[in-house]
Amino acid sequence: DIQMTQSPLSLSASVGDRVTITCRASQSIKNYLSWYQQKPGKAPKLLIYAASSLQSGIPSRFSAAGAGTDFTLTINSLQPEDFATYYCQQSIIFPRTFGQGTNLEIK
Amino acid sequence: EVQLVESGGGLVQPGGSLRLSCDASGLIRGYTMNWVRQAPGKGLEWISYISSGSSSIHYADSVKGRFTISRDNAKNSLFLQMNSLRVDDTAVYYCASSVLALVTRFDYWGQGTMVTVSS
Repeated sequence: DIQMTQSPLSLSASVGDRVTITCRASQSIKNYLSWYQQKPGKAPKLLIYAASSLQSGIPSRFSAAGAGTDFTLTINSLQPEDFATYYCQQSIIFPRTFGQGTNLEIK
Repeated sequence: EVQLVESGGGLVQPGGSLRLSCDASGLIRGYTMNWVRQAPGKGLEWISYISSGSSSIHYADSVKGRFTISRDNAKNSLFLQMNSLRVDDTAVYYCASSVLALVTRFDYWGQGTMVTVSS
């Protein structure tokens, strides 16, 4: 199985900050990488697919990059609604695997 | 846009069975479908996939041999038959759809249904 490792697992930031979350795959996944946002008690929401493509309706302050084994999700100018948990996920092979999640909290 | 609604969760004793359903508001014929679960306070775990025509099915090792995924495209529905349930199957179960694309992703998610396995 491909292991997805996120860092940091917890992050404190303020409104207006820029933050970056990293996701590392245990082997190359090319660009078969998605990012999701989840708020407490809610279903996850797709933010980014194919490593860097912004899902329709997602604000442009979200961006992502990477290929192979190393990926990043960047949120520019954090808004109050961005405080949530973020997951990366690979879809190159089964089983699909998620990172552990990064909890983004308000400082 | 597809809207997904899960049902069928509840409290069941260890060793028992449950059947989850996921009903779609739009056509799911062209979508691949998945079940993803989340244990209380934990992260996301993918557990099963079914292709648009049901010809390809995959399971996580944690549920293989106990869970069965199926779909009825005519009724825009997805199912998960869960047998031999264990305490560690306790989780919110989400269905998630994927549009047919080179790089698949979980485009749409249901709101989830809670399954509690306890004596």
